[in-house]
Amino acid sequence: AQSVAQPEDQVNVAEGNPLTVKCTYSVSGNPYLFWYVQYPNRGLQFLLKYITGDNLVKGSYGFEAEFNKSQTSFHLKKPSALVSDSALYFCAANSGYALNFGKGTSLLVTP
Amino acid sequence: EAGVVQSPRYKIIEKKQPVAFWCNPISGHNTLYWYRQNLGQGPELLIRYENEEAVDDSQLPKDRFSAERLKGVDSTLKIQPAELGDSAVYLCASIRAGITDTQYFGPGTRLTVL
Repeated sequence: AQSVAQPEDQVNVAEGNPLTVKCTYSVSGNPYLFWYVQYPNRGLQFLLKYITGDNLVKGSYGFEAEFNKSQTSFHLKKPSALVSDSALYFCAANSGYALNFGKGTSLLVTP
Repeated sequence: EAGVVQSPRYKIIEKKQPVAFWCNPISGHNTLYWYRQNLGQGPELLIRYENEEAVDDSQLPKDRFSAERLKGVDSTLKIQPAELGDSAVYLCASIRAGITDTQYFGPGTRLTVL
């Protein structure tokens, strides 16, 4: 079965510093991996996805993610964090036509 | 293009009452999903539709939950009767067709069962 782990419940970073939100996966076959962001009382907003090809995926709002097959990881990164990036971030892997989500990581960016 | 629309946004009911949620997917999206998101957790699939056919409802608690997607567009998810443990956010998502397509989510319905 496909599964996703987000080992950190919360990540704190100062504005302007780089941020990383970690995700590891366990899938059979080729993984299709996604990152979503959720703001309070909002649905999930798509940030980026890895299907195949270049291991570095660029997405919305300056976010990027690096696919590492040997470490089965798909960490989300941003070179310079903004206070407005504070939100809940979910990593997901395909399970057939549905998605298996991690439990989420709360990102807090302080001024 | 308009996004996934859900209503109501919030619903508060007494236990044992029925409740229904409505979803209108993005135009042209043939595949529709209902997910449930418990507090502090990621969304979990309840049911997936391909057009009007429920192709994966293995996680849907069929004793109290039902869903339909008449004409392959809008969908309704119903709970009857609701229990305290059903309090959660119910999310609808849609994709056009392919397995690698991005799922686009609606804002969700936050259900509180008292």
